[in-house]
Amino acid sequence: SQQGEEDPQALSIQEGENATMNCSYKTSINNLQWYRQNSGRGLVHLILIRSNEREKHSGRLRVTLDTSKKSSSLLITASRAADTASYFCATYSYNTDKLIFGTGTRLQVFP
Amino acid sequence: DSGVTQTPKHLITATGQRVTLRCSPRSGDLSVYWYQQSLDQGLQFLIQYYNGEERAKGNILERFSAQQFPDLHSELNLSSLELGDSALYFCASSRGQGPDTQYFGPGTRLTVL
Repeated sequence: SQQGEEDPQALSIQEGENATMNCSYKTSINNLQWYRQNSGRGLVHLILIRSNEREKHSGRLRVTLDTSKKSSSLLITASRAADTASYFCATYSYNTDKLIFGTGTRLQVFP
Repeated sequence: DSGVTQTPKHLITATGQRVTLRCSPRSGDLSVYWYQQSLDQGLQFLIQYYNGEERAKGNILERFSAQQFPDLHSELNLSSLELGDSALYFCASSRGQGPDTQYFGPGTRLTVL
């Protein structure tokens, strides 16, 4: 079963615009990770945020975590055509001791 | 390039057959994870090995089995294949046992005809 649900399922934007993807989850977690997948390829780790952190940055990526609402968001600023991919959130909990992936958001960035 | 290798890239086989997928983790990583990705089920965790021992189990069917060898490479065996087993199978590795970043291989695309 999936822990995380991403919203929206799909997102289309123009180059230069910002893209925001949201992830909601059901049970308490120890960390939340975001991954990117180009079509049919392996997943690439983007960023990890721990349950005691509220915000984290990495280059053009900004991740927030609200444990009271059990939600996270991934913001990609000044998007590029090369950002076109699917983005997955994944939650880790010591209780389940597994990394559980959400359903993903398909992002398309038009040049 | 994540440093995780998987072979073969593609596999086409018939129902009822058995296949073996192979994964070599990044140098120094002790954990290997197997995932199945299909259109209707999304990315599903199958099983994790840590330093040769099974550590966590997910939605792995009884027809599927895996092992991790002393050199830390891993194999996923799928038997009595069904049409519904057609999917992308990913291997990932991490340094430790639990909540670490996982590094994914390029995947094996299995098609069961």
